[in-house]
Amino acid sequence: KNQVEQSPQSLIILEGKNCTLQCNYTVSPFSNLRWYKQDTGRGPVSLTIMTFSENTKSNGRYTATLDADTKQSSLHITASQLSDSASYICVVSAMDSNYQLIWGAGTKLIIKP
Amino acid sequence: DAGITQSPRHKVTETGTPVTLRCHQTENHRYMYWYRQDPGHGLRLIHYSYGVKDTDKGEVSDGYSVSRSKTEDFLLTLESATSSQTSVYFCAISESVVRSNQPQHFGDGTRLSIL
Repeated sequence: KNQVEQSPQSLIILEGKNCTLQCNYTVSPFSNLRWYKQDTGRGPVSLTIMTFSENTKSNGRYTATLDADTKQSSLHITASQLSDSASYICVVSAMDSNYQLIWGAGTKLIIKP
Repeated sequence: DAGITQSPRHKVTETGTPVTLRCHQTENHRYMYWYRQDPGHGLRLIHYSYGVKDTDKGEVSDGYSVSRSKTEDFLLTLESATSSQTSVYFCAISESVVRSNQPQHFGDGTRLSIL
């Protein structure tokens, strides 16, 4: 069964610190992996999309990594800011579907001043 | 931000009543999607559209219907609302299918409560 699991479920860090969020998936055949940021009361916003051949992709202070062999991805946030408080969702696409994405339940990140 | 407007943003209604949610886009994207988001779950696909009058079911389509008469509008209807349909509903659009490297862009959701 295609699944995406994220850890931790929630995380609290101090402003200015770094953190890493984890995503494990069992989706096959793999097409791409996405990270979304969702602020409270808003829709998800795309941070990165990575294909099989990409190991690392950055978007400002966000860096996503992908290990297609172990089916793991991580999202690293550098020098956190209060505005980084949000849920971060890992999403995987399979090659055999045009429309269905497999969504993780998200990691809720809280940045404290 | 992608031009996606969902209406209404909040709605409270009673069990058994019909409810229609609207998604309007100004991006001229071909593909449109309706999701629901519930605590502890990832987003779940209800229905999607791949063109005007072209729609199909997602993984949780029971109790929902959709229509797309224009490129820019995608309607989600709950024919007879039930309490299990209390949720936050998101509309998304994309230029290409999810197997491509194109992102989905989301509206800000409709919070629907069914009493």
